[in-house]
Amino acid sequence: GENVEQHPSTLSVQEGDSAVIKCTYSDSASNYFPWYKQELGKRPQLIIDIRSNVGEKKDQRIAVTLNKTAKHFSLHITETQPEDSAVYFCAAITQGGSEKLVFGKGTKLTVNP
Amino acid sequence: ETGVTQTPRHLVMGMTNKKSLKCEQHLGHNAMYWYKQSAKKPLELMFVYNFKEQTENNSVPSRFSPECPNSSHLFLHLHTLQPEDSALYLCASSQDRASGREQFFGPGTRLTVL
Repeated sequence: GENVEQHPSTLSVQEGDSAVIKCTYSDSASNYFPWYKQELGKRPQLIIDIRSNVGEKKDQRIAVTLNKTAKHFSLHITETQPEDSAVYFCAAITQGGSEKLVFGKGTKLTVNP
Repeated sequence: ETGVTQTPRHLVMGMTNKKSLKCEQHLGHNAMYWYKQSAKKPLELMFVYNFKEQTENNSVPSRFSPECPNSSHLFLHLHTLQPEDSALYLCASSQDRASGREQFFGPGTRLTVL
């Protein structure tokens, strides 16, 4: 089945700097890659997603890139702000059969003012 | 509260108790999910229901028993749990089970098994 690895597990940046979180997946048939943000004590919420027919997608300060050949995708946050502090989860969905989301272990991002 | 709601928000139970977690979605979705979130582990999918039919049981022990009476409600019945079952249990819903559908999560139930 699908396996998703996420790095780093913790990331600390200064306000205004960029943050990059990387994920790799194992199933070449996976075709949908969402990113969820979970603030302390709150539910995970989708912040951006990308499909396998697209190499990059951007939404204001957040961007995601996908390299299908290498089977990895990354989340980029520019001009970080303290409210970006949260745990970020990447995920990949397996095609056919179960079609279940497989999540990475999460990255705890801390943005220091 | 709109979206996906879960009750109770916190639950403490002994290993011999029977309790149930409830999830309700107000989004008109047809797929509902139970996830387990433990410290330092990925979100683990437990069960998937699509149009009230269970389509996925991710090798979950029988002490967890799901029930989906309709597309808006999902229950997780708990019986003779173990301390290692203590975790945050998250319910989610999506339009359907098709690939590429955003999942909306509830606030979770923090379960502690003594």
